[in-house]
Amino acid sequence: NAGVMQNPRHLVRRRGQEARLRCSPMKGHSHVYWYRQLPEEGLKFMVYLQKENIIDESGMPKERFSAEFPKEGPSILRIQQVVRGDSAAYFCASSPGGSSNQPQHFGDGTRLSIL
Amino acid sequence: DQQVKQNSPSLSVQEGRISILNCDYTNSMFDYFLWYKKYPAEGPTFLISISSIKDKNEDGRFTVFLNKSAKHLSLHIVPSQPGDSAVYFCAATPNGNAGKSTFGDGTTLTVKP
Repeated sequence: NAGVMQNPRHLVRRRGQEARLRCSPMKGHSHVYWYRQLPEEGLKFMVYLQKENIIDESGMPKERFSAEFPKEGPSILRIQQVVRGDSAAYFCASSPGGSSNQPQHFGDGTRLSIL
Repeated sequence: DQQVKQNSPSLSVQEGRISILNCDYTNSMFDYFLWYKKYPAEGPTFLISISSIKDKNEDGRFTVFLNKSAKHLSLHIVPSQPGDSAVYFCAATPNGNAGKSTFGDGTTLTVKP
């Protein structure tokens, strides 16, 4: 999965702490998507961003979760006051445009573990 | 309400034989369908796709069939190889809303040598 870079690959947090997950899209891609995968399940859409804009955040929990994709720098998925249920693999994907027939390129994910 | 379903959690086939992975969907607004392959500890990798205006798309050993009336698609891999062993996800996107891909829960394919 060269191109979309996610870090850290593994993140351990205690309940109540904040988790910050970073995603650098492929070069030339201005569209970023975040997904969450729970064990034995598929990827669940969370949020879709373009540079400096949130296009669709219908999959984001209403509280504690936020995402941004600033003009400069990576996209950030931020989880405040983490709870055990936040433990999951979080995948970022990017595409060059927003057309429905453009496959998304995925990073290798961040595995978040909450103690 | 799961809009994309992969009813077989796992599939095991012999090397050289055909692998058929199935996917059903419920949302009529889906107009583009994709298959992704995922190895452990890696992100999904795009494999093949099909637009709703087609009923078949072929790329080497991989062919995707779409039956719109049945809201069903399938991925055929022939001949199957041990390196094909992975989790396969079916995904669908609604008209004009590229960012909101809906994924199935995946099928784990094991190809035995």
